[in-house]
Amino acid sequence: GAVVSQHPSWVICKSGTSVKIECRSLDFQATTMFWYRQFPKQSLMLMATSNEGSKATYEQGVEKDKFLINHASLTLSTLTVTSAHPEDSSFYICSAAGQEGEQYFGPGTRLTVT
Amino acid sequence: AQSVTQLGSHVSVSEGALVLLRCNYSSSVPPYLFWYVQYPNQGLQLLLKYTSAATLVKGINGFEAEFKKSETSFHLTKPSAHMSDAAEYFCAVTYGGATNKLIFGTGTLLAVQP
Repeated sequence: GAVVSQHPSWVICKSGTSVKIECRSLDFQATTMFWYRQFPKQSLMLMATSNEGSKATYEQGVEKDKFLINHASLTLSTLTVTSAHPEDSSFYICSAAGQEGEQYFGPGTRLTVT
Repeated sequence: AQSVTQLGSHVSVSEGALVLLRCNYSSSVPPYLFWYVQYPNQGLQLLLKYTSAATLVKGINGFEAEFKKSETSFHLTKPSAHMSDAAEYFCAVTYGGATNKLIFGTGTLLAVQP
C-alpha cells in the first residue's frame, strides 16, 4: 500500500514554456500532499503544501505564480512550472501524507529546461 | 526551532560490517521520527518510523533504529551491510499530525565496499 506515482518521470522543455507534473496517490486518499525540489547531492527543499480543495501554502522564497499547485481531488495534485527557465531545471518530488505524520514519496520528475 | 542533524555526510563500510548512521534532533515536544532511503534518480522510500510507541523500531531491509530521548537521537543501524544498501539516507522529524511538514536532515551517503 501507500503508493504514490508521478508523471512524467522526466521532461525536457524549451525556455518560456510551461510544464505540468502530476502526483497521484494510487491506493489511499491524501488530504495533504507536498511538493519538493531537490538539487544534486542535496537534501529535499519543501516548496509547498497542497491541501485538497483549498489553496496551497508556499514556503518562503517560492514564487506562487511561477509554481502553480492544484489539488483538485483526494488522489491528485499537480505542479505547473510556468514560463520555465534553465534555472528551474531540477528534480521535483511529491509526497502524500500518511496517518502518523509520515509521507509517502513519488519517484520524482527530472525537469530539464533548454 | 526544530531541526535534524545527521553526522557524517559520507559513511563507508565493508560488506558484512555494521552500518551506523547518526541522527540527532532538537525538540521541545515529542517528535515523530523517520528514516528514508533514496536511490539515484528515485524518490524516497520509508525505511521505518517512530511515533511514540516502542523505542526500538524495526524497518524494512533489516534496518532498525532506537529512539533515545535522553540523547535526542534516532540512529539507524543494520548488523550486516549489503552492497544493495549503498544509497542516500535521510533522517526526518515531524511534530505530530498528518498535515505537519517533515524537517529533513542533510542526508548521509552510504557506500558499501566489497
